[in-house]
Amino acid sequence: NAGVTQTPKFRILKIGQSMTLQCAQDMNHNYMYWYRQDPGMGLKLIYYSVGAGITDKGEVPNGYNVSRSTTEDFPLRLELAAPSQTSVYFCASNVGGLNTEAFFGQGTRLTVV
Amino acid sequence: AQSVAQPEDQVNVAEGNPLTVKCTYSVSGNPYLFWYVQYPNRGLQFLLKYITGDNLVKGSYGFEAEFNKSQTSFHLKKPSALVSDSALYFCAVREGGGNKLVFGAGTILRVKS
Repeated sequence: NAGVTQTPKFRILKIGQSMTLQCAQDMNHNYMYWYRQDPGMGLKLIYYSVGAGITDKGEVPNGYNVSRSTTEDFPLRLELAAPSQTSVYFCASNVGGLNTEAFFGQGTRLTVV
Repeated sequence: AQSVAQPEDQVNVAEGNPLTVKCTYSVSGNPYLFWYVQYPNRGLQFLLKYITGDNLVKGSYGFEAEFNKSQTSFHLKKPSALVSDSALYFCAVREGGGNKLVFGAGTILRVKS
């Protein structure tokens, strides 16, 4: 059981570069989420998706884009990296419904220099 | 909008003693409440949830949590702490009718032998 898989695990970007953080789940979950985790700040929701072809903004969407062309994949795109985007990024999924728990990937640690 | 507060940045307990990690929430509708645990360099893992029914819910690894509607609290408890319980704990709330899971800032639990 792979669950939620994120790649890469670590990345260093220069200011202005772009990259895509990959997220894939093999549980046939409809709902997928991207969070960023900053020290002492908990997790902030960046974007989420309730199904293929449907995405919506979370609390902190600026500087990011997402797409959801399949149920399994939910990539997060950073177009012009900025130091403020240095963080740990977590992808999560759940089957849907308000009472279901989320499953998290192991995270991507991104540093922008 | 829903919100979660974890008033303690860190909780220190001795092994074998009971532990409590506090959480209060604010939602406009019925709350769906969750506790997650994060071990170093890992993603979040689900511990337990309150949806409806009994105010005392039991979860993984001997943890339990008590829902108190009048105090809008959902404190995490364990009767006897283990050193292996040392981790970062997050409380989260999903508002009835909403798609988003909002996390608190997290509480570091340190259990000393």
